[in-house]
Amino acid sequence: ETGVTQTPRHLVMGMTNKKSLKCEQHLGHNAMYWYKQSAKKPLELMFVYNFKEQTENNSVPSRFSPECPNSSHLFLHLHTLQPEDSALYLCASSQDRTAGEGYTFGSGTRLTVV
Amino acid sequence: GQNIDQPTEMTATEGAIVQINCTYQTSGFNGLFWYQQHAGEAPTFLSYNVLDGLEEKGRFSSFLSRSKGYSYLLLKELQMKDSASYLCAVLSHNQGGKLIFGQGTELSVKP
Repeated sequence: ETGVTQTPRHLVMGMTNKKSLKCEQHLGHNAMYWYKQSAKKPLELMFVYNFKEQTENNSVPSRFSPECPNSSHLFLHLHTLQPEDSALYLCASSQDRTAGEGYTFGSGTRLTVV
Repeated sequence: GQNIDQPTEMTATEGAIVQINCTYQTSGFNGLFWYQQHAGEAPTFLSYNVLDGLEEKGRFSSFLSRSKGYSYLLLKELQMKDSASYLCAVLSHNQGGKLIFGQGTELSVKP
């Protein structure tokens, strides 16, 4: 496998459920990111990990909990979500935080909260 | 703060040329990116400008003026497959570096 892989591609969950999104990168990058993409809105940066350490939390509600066990894997644990959390969640990676070569994105998880 | 503006929607004709503008206000500017995103797919890298001027890559060119906080993406010889969302993003080296995105421009190419 190459690039950035996200699973699942689609997820429907109730407001009382707990689920996790998974991201895996095979590029040898050291930085990984979670973005939220809602209709008609810019991509919103949620979390940044650099060498497995969380370096940024962009005022994200605690019902979103990231985990980065190693430089290749990133998870987003979800619990007691709200309908307004329905969006496309994109994972990205870059060689480092300077990212002169840009970020490589996964295809995203389309999340629907019912 | 950070602010990136680009038109929400544009329409153009197959074979024509279209220019998508992006203006930005940011501190710690460290480069500007353009990404293409087809519906339901990952954003894919198109171009990167860190110095003023024009970067050309096949049918796509990107221009940057740092003093004006302005960039544009130029698409030539438009094809139907160019219908997509085009995202302008600014890299800020503040707080260790992060990529901030505009809302994207939805381009529709008509026959």
